[in-house]
Amino acid sequence: GAVVSQHPSWVICKSGTSVKIECRSLDFQATTMFWYRQFPKQSLMLMATSNEGSKATYEQGVEKDKFLINHASLTLSTLTVTSAHPEDSSFYICSARVLQDYGYTFGSGTRLTVV
Amino acid sequence: GQQLNQSPQSMFIQEGEDVSMNCTSSSIFNTWLWYKQDPGEGPVLLIALYKAGELTSNGRLTAQFGITRKDSFLNISASIPSDVGIYFCAGQTSGTYKYIFGTGTRLKVLA
Repeated sequence: GAVVSQHPSWVICKSGTSVKIECRSLDFQATTMFWYRQFPKQSLMLMATSNEGSKATYEQGVEKDKFLINHASLTLSTLTVTSAHPEDSSFYICSARVLQDYGYTFGSGTRLTVV
Repeated sequence: GQQLNQSPQSMFIQEGEDVSMNCTSSSIFNTWLWYKQDPGEGPVLLIALYKAGELTSNGRLTAQFGITRKDSFLNISASIPSDVGIYFCAGQTSGTYKYIFGTGTRLKVLA
């Protein structure tokens, strides 16, 4: 089945530094990837939609300069949290749309803690 | 962002009992998905529904796409301890690939 590999699974960084999260589709081509953020005991909130070879589309209220998304190939999308602050601490999850299939496969998530 | 209303928010049940949860929206959706999320993991797809009125099963799980296209239901029969987790519904409107997630139902099964 379609698998999305997300790394790292957890990261702790100092306030002011940047963190990159990668999502790779292992056995299919993902033209579209979605990035979600999930705070403890809350639902998944869509942050942005990335399409291979074009600029990402950000949801209202999400700072595009803070959450940089790159989708340079059909198998890799990255989310970079720039100048991270403690309030950016959250669980970040990517999801890919599988062509020929209505299903959406999720990565295993990245728990970011900013100290 | 937009969210779907999901109920109940949480529930404790005895092992062997049946469980029901639902998701409602003010918007019409073309597709409904039900996911389960374990702590520290990404959601895993349980059931996908593509047509109003559709009833689909996956083992002990049964989900229905409401006839009004504004709601969906998930039933779990004969619950077991490994059913513990958070269940999310997700809906997709026409003209977009985006899914909106429900607020989640946290299920705890007492052995």
